[in-house]
Amino acid sequence: DTGVSQDPRHKITKRGQNVTFRCDPISEHNRLYWYRQTLGQGPEFLTYFQNEAQLEKSRLLSDRFSAERPKGSFSTLEIQRTEQGDSAMYLCASSLEGGGGQPQHFGDGTRLSIL
Amino acid sequence: DAKTTQPPSMDCAEGRAANLPCNHSTISGNEYVYWYRQIHSQGPQYIIHGLKNNETNEMASLIITEDRKSSTLILPHATLRDTAVYYCIVRGLTNTGNQFYFGTGTSLTVIP
Repeated sequence: DTGVSQDPRHKITKRGQNVTFRCDPISEHNRLYWYRQTLGQGPEFLTYFQNEAQLEKSRLLSDRFSAERPKGSFSTLEIQRTEQGDSAMYLCASSLEGGGGQPQHFGDGTRLSIL
Repeated sequence: DAKTTQPPSMDCAEGRAANLPCNHSTISGNEYVYWYRQIHSQGPQYIIHGLKNNETNEMASLIITEDRKSSTLILPHATLRDTAVYYCIVRGLTNTGNQFYFGTGTSLTVIP
């Protein structure tokens, strides 16, 4: 399968724990995006990378959220000291660079549940 | 980015064409119209996008009005598997990145 891959698909953890999610984009895509989706809402943008550079992170929900893409390939999203409100689906997408006409391709997300 | 307005829900009979409307009256000249759909527990699936001209692919057709203030996604022969939430997104290149802004979409139910 050559689509966007996310791991794990589900994560259950206790409040206060740290969690990390991984995203493997489509191999030739140099742009990578993270979104969060809560029940009944559309995905909400969090941050994006072009290659290894994080070009937009002002939409990360708090300083407990951080993302990396160290070699311009896979990316990780970490949430420290999780809270009940962090329960959501976390989606990753990737795209080619090239103006406004490149579609983003999404993975199936990691569903986070905070106990 | 231009905001979009979609009806919250629609029904369509199986085998008939599903026509999903989207208003984007504040769209600017360099902004594309994208359509995605999302089936429960899956990530959004790219369907089609266009700038000015009508577009067709194996999944759907996209009709954009001449003034570009609205568009319609057409699923020519809806099946039960087309039941999903459909998102219309308008997006162009800005200095702050290429993120998509999703609304709440249209929940399409295909009825047997």
